[in-house]
Amino acid sequence: DAGVIQSPRHEVTEMGQEVTLRCKPISGHDYLFWYRQTMMRGLELLIYFNNNVPIDDSGMPEDRFSAKMPNASFSTLKIQPSEPRDSAVYFCASTTRQGVNTGELFFGEGSRLTVL
Amino acid sequence: AQSVAQPEDQVNVAEGNPLTVKCTYSVSGNPYLFWYVQYPNRGLQFLLKYITGDNLVKGSYGFEAEFNKSQTSFHLKKPSALVSDSALYFCAVRQGGNNRLAFGKGNQVVVIP
Repeated sequence: DAGVIQSPRHEVTEMGQEVTLRCKPISGHDYLFWYRQTMMRGLELLIYFNNNVPIDDSGMPEDRFSAKMPNASFSTLKIQPSEPRDSAVYFCASTTRQGVNTGELFFGEGSRLTVL
Repeated sequence: AQSVAQPEDQVNVAEGNPLTVKCTYSVSGNPYLFWYVQYPNRGLQFLLKYITGDNLVKGSYGFEAEFNKSQTSFHLKKPSALVSDSALYFCAVRQGGNNRLAFGKGNQVVVIP
């Protein structure tokens, strides 16, 4: 199994630019989560999907952030326009219904974003 | 809302010594508690969980955790630490019926050879 695949692994961009982060969940997993990790705030849940439908986006910081899941094998997190305070590591995680119950999420290796 | 607290930023321990990483939780109702580990430049990996049953749960890589309801704690333990255990450890809680996991800020564990 290839695991959760995220791209890019590293992104450096300038303030005001659009950033798109991508995630391919594990095949057969019907839950997908986007997290953001910073030193100051730790690990924050941004949004999660079930069967490609956004269920809870209360963690999305503001309208500059948007997430989509057009099909079961692909999700994007977009930031437009980006700001320096968006610099963080963004993780995607996927799991099954049982995994949600048992708390076992499978994380990708993250996308490290730096906004200059 | 559910939350966890990990009071120590960093835990230093000599190789071969017991390792303890502390976690306390706050949740209404029965808690579902978890530990994850993050190695450098990697995603989080699931270590173990407590949902119900025995208060002492065993997980991957020789780790175990003890659920203490009266102290609202779920400390992670390993009897004999290895240098390879050096990593960032996260405690997490889920309130029953809620699909969200709330993570603590993490503890950096440094095992000294």
